[in-house]
Amino acid sequence: NAGVMQNPRHLVRRRGQEARLRCSPMKGHSHVYWYRQLPEEGLKFMVYLQKENIIDESGMPKERFSAEFPKEGPSILRIQQVVRGDSAAYFCASSPILSFPGGLTNEQYFGPGTRLTVT
Amino acid sequence: SQQGEEDPQALSIQEGENATMNCSYKTSINNLQWYRQNSGRGLVHLILIRSNEREKHSGRLRVTLDTSKKSSSLLITASRAADTASYFCATDATGSNYKLTFGKGTLLTVNP
Repeated sequence: NAGVMQNPRHLVRRRGQEARLRCSPMKGHSHVYWYRQLPEEGLKFMVYLQKENIIDESGMPKERFSAEFPKEGPSILRIQQVVRGDSAAYFCASSPILSFPGGLTNEQYFGPGTRLTVT
Repeated sequence: SQQGEEDPQALSIQEGENATMNCSYKTSINNLQWYRQNSGRGLVHLILIRSNEREKHSGRLRVTLDTSKKSSSLLITASRAADTASYFCATDATGSNYKLTFGKGTLLTVNP
């Protein structure tokens, strides 16, 4: 069972260009999450998607950033008109949400990340 | 302090010694998870402990959770050089169990 896959692993863009990051969740997982990690920082939640639905995008900047998880194909995080401050590692995670007596657990499995550098 | 804050920020030990890392958080949680990240790599899920659990073991890992103090600890016994990595705790708040909040991590260096 392949893990979460992300591509590209490294992406270099000039200021003003578009960055498109892809994420294929683990087989059987229908929940996808995107996180951003700045140097020397922990991960920060950006967006949570299920197939064809954005459930929570409260951590995503309102401008230039968008995410989708279509019925077929990978989840895409799109950054338009990139700026230097967008340089970071972007991680995708997926999960099945597991129900057990007493509540839910949500083990998220992370991909290797895409390191975006804006020059 | 921020939700899911680890201490110490950095820890250096000799191979064979035990390593203990702590995590504090502010709000009520459903679960707390520990992850490892090797330099420049993705996160590897280590262990999840539920809010109604106090201790959990997995191989050389032992995690404790004290919800009254809003804190958790990760103990790695008999450390190896391969354990060198950053370790993060992540919490999910009651009512939004999908949104993990990470601290800045503890950088563990195990010297051979």
